[in-house]
Amino acid sequence: NAGVTQTPKFRVLKTGQSMTLLCAQDMNHEYMYWYRQDPGMGLRLIHYSVGEGTTAKGEVPDGYNVSRLKKQNFLLGLESAAPSQTSVYFCASSLRTANTGELFFGEGSRLTVL
Amino acid sequence: GQQVMQIPQYQHVQEGEDFTTYCNSSTTLSNIQWYKQRPGGHPVFLIQLVKSGEVKKQKRLTFQFGEAKKNSSLHITATQTTDVGTYFCAGPQDPIFGNEKLTFGTGTRLTIIP
Repeated sequence: NAGVTQTPKFRVLKTGQSMTLLCAQDMNHEYMYWYRQDPGMGLRLIHYSVGEGTTAKGEVPDGYNVSRLKKQNFLLGLESAAPSQTSVYFCASSLRTANTGELFFGEGSRLTVL
Repeated sequence: GQQVMQIPQYQHVQEGEDFTTYCNSSTTLSNIQWYKQRPGGHPVFLIQLVKSGEVKKQKRLTFQFGEAKKNSSLHITATQTTDVGTYFCAGPQDPIFGNEKLTFGTGTRLTIIP
C-alpha cells in the first residue's frame, strides 16, 4: 500500500497563478484533511472532508478551495496564489474522526509563490 | 478558540541525556495525540491518550495525560540520534461535538549533540 500520496512534491508559482494539489489515499479512509506548515506555527488545518462529496472549512481556509469527488482523492486548489501561501502543505487521512483515530500524512508538497 | 501550546520550542541535548516536552491546552481535551516529524519528513503518529492521568510507555518514551485533561508531556530517556525531530501534540478542536478537527501544538524541535 502506498498510503497517502501527494502530487506535486515541489512547485514554484508566480503571484496570481492558480494550481491544484492532489492527495490520494488507498486505505479506504473516510476522513481527509489539508494542513499547511509554516516555521514556528505548527500545522494549521485548511479544509477537511468527512466523506465523498463533503467538505468543510478548517482554521485557515481563505484563499483555498477543495473538492472530494471520489472517496480516495482530496484536491486543494489555489485560485490566485499569493506570497503568503508559500508553505509546506500536508494531506492526511484517518479511518474515523480525528477525535478517535490517528492521522496518516502524505510526504508533503512544498509550494513557493514569488 | 482552543489553543495548544508546547514548551520548549527548541531543545538541544547531549546524546544520552533525557528530554521532556510539555503540551498545554486552553480547554479540556477528550484525548491527545502525539506525532513525530523527522527533519524534511512528514508527521508520524506516536500515540493517543484518552483517560485522565493516563501514562503510556513506548520503549524509552513515556507519555502522560494530565488529571484535568488539559496538559500532557512526552519524556524521552537517554536520547539517541534517532530521536532527532520535532514532536507535536494535537487535541480535538471542539470536545463537545467529538469533532473531526485536530489542533496541533507549535511543536518542540529536538536536536542531539553527539
